[in-house]
Amino acid sequence: KQEVTQIPAALSVPEGENLVLNCSFTDSAIYNLQWFRQDPGKGLTSLLLIQSSQREQTSGRLNASLDKSSGRSTLYIAASQPGDSATYLCAVRPARDSNYQLIWGAGTKLIIKP
Amino acid sequence: EPEVTQTPSHQVTQMGQEVILRCVPISNHLYFYWYRQILGQKVEFLVSFYNNEISEKSEIFDDQFSVERPDGSNFTLKIRSTKLEDSAMYFCASAGNTEAFFGQGTRLTVV
Repeated sequence: KQEVTQIPAALSVPEGENLVLNCSFTDSAIYNLQWFRQDPGKGLTSLLLIQSSQREQTSGRLNASLDKSSGRSTLYIAASQPGDSATYLCAVRPARDSNYQLIWGAGTKLIIKP
Repeated sequence: EPEVTQTPSHQVTQMGQEVILRCVPISNHLYFYWYRQILGQKVEFLVSFYNNEISEKSEIFDDQFSVERPDGSNFTLKIRSTKLEDSAMYFCASAGNTEAFFGQGTRLTVV
């Protein structure tokens, strides 16, 4: 059964730092992996999607990598800003599941201090 | 840019009442989903819907829940006889062949 883990659960860093959020999954047979942002009490905003055949995706200051064989993905945030404060969730879409449901991590709560 | 729309954004209901949460998926998508997130917990899969029928459901999705696509565009989640523990954020999602797109959620509060 696929399980997704995110470490750390919470992270507080000063503004301007580069940082890395980690996501690991137990079954390497995935179709894709998505990173989401969630502000408190709000919805899920998709940040990046990496297909199983890809190694990384970039959007602005965000870069997500995928190492399927080791069951890991990282989300790199460059030059962090207070507006980046949110919970970051990763979710995998198992390849063996034809219904394409997502399996979610518990998230990393990120606080960027001004 | 196409988006998934959910209504209402917030609903308060009394325990035992029925609620219907509504979603308008992206028009050319074929797969539809409901997820929920209890405050402070992981997002959990409830049900997937494809070709006008449920394709998979989780243990959470018991007889209290039902889904419908009444008119070919809307996708609804009905919760009968709501309980306090049904209080959560409910997310609708739709997908084509790759990425899942999520609505902004409906916050359901059962009092």
